[in-house]
Amino acid sequence: GAVVSQHPSWVICKSGTSVKIECRSLDFQATTMFWYRQFPKQSLMLMATSNEGSKATYEQGVEKDKFLINHASLTLSTLTVTSAHPEDSSFYICSARPPQAGGPNEQFFGPGTRLTVL
Amino acid sequence: TQLLEQSPQFLSIQEGENLTVYCNSSSVFSSLQWYRQEPGEGPVLLVTVVTGGEVKKLKRLTFQFGDARKDSSLHITAAQPGDTGLYLCAGGGDYKLSFGAGTTVTVRA
Repeated sequence: GAVVSQHPSWVICKSGTSVKIECRSLDFQATTMFWYRQFPKQSLMLMATSNEGSKATYEQGVEKDKFLINHASLTLSTLTVTSAHPEDSSFYICSARPPQAGGPNEQFFGPGTRLTVL
Repeated sequence: TQLLEQSPQFLSIQEGENLTVYCNSSSVFSSLQWYRQEPGEGPVLLVTVVTGGEVKKLKRLTFQFGDARKDSSLHITAAQPGDTGLYLCAGGGDYKLSFGAGTTVTVRA
């Protein structure tokens, strides 16, 4: 159980274009999902918390107009990198927490999406 | 924000040797998670520790949660090349997780 998928696994795009990444919880419903960014040999940096049916909560320094998040259903969150530039090239990972009221804060991660902006 | 410090940052050992990774904080955590991540993949949850002083074993991996719930350690016995990866500790409140900087472990055959 607790499987999270991401699509695509990798994408190459031209500078100025927009890219959409999907994150799905396959065997549970997730009212909250998380989007992280990871640079080579570094830890995960939380970008935003995606809330089903409401606006995402962005971490300090993350441009909400640049990284659009939509959590339209209990199993799907999308991250759109708008007007991508080479500096947006990175490994983007989503996670979701299965509903377990009062339980430990365990998150399950997708396999990640490697974005390369030319 | 609750900060987690991991040490060492890098660890390279020979197959069969033991290793320990540490995760420390000045904050108290209700739980701590350990993840392992391989290149090009997402982190995989290894274990969650909840109770102060708790020790959990997962085959050759032993996880310990400090009595005060501010620190944790991961010990690998007789490491194998398959243990190679980035080990991350994480802890947090109700929903957001704070991650340590990670420990890159390389086990040479």
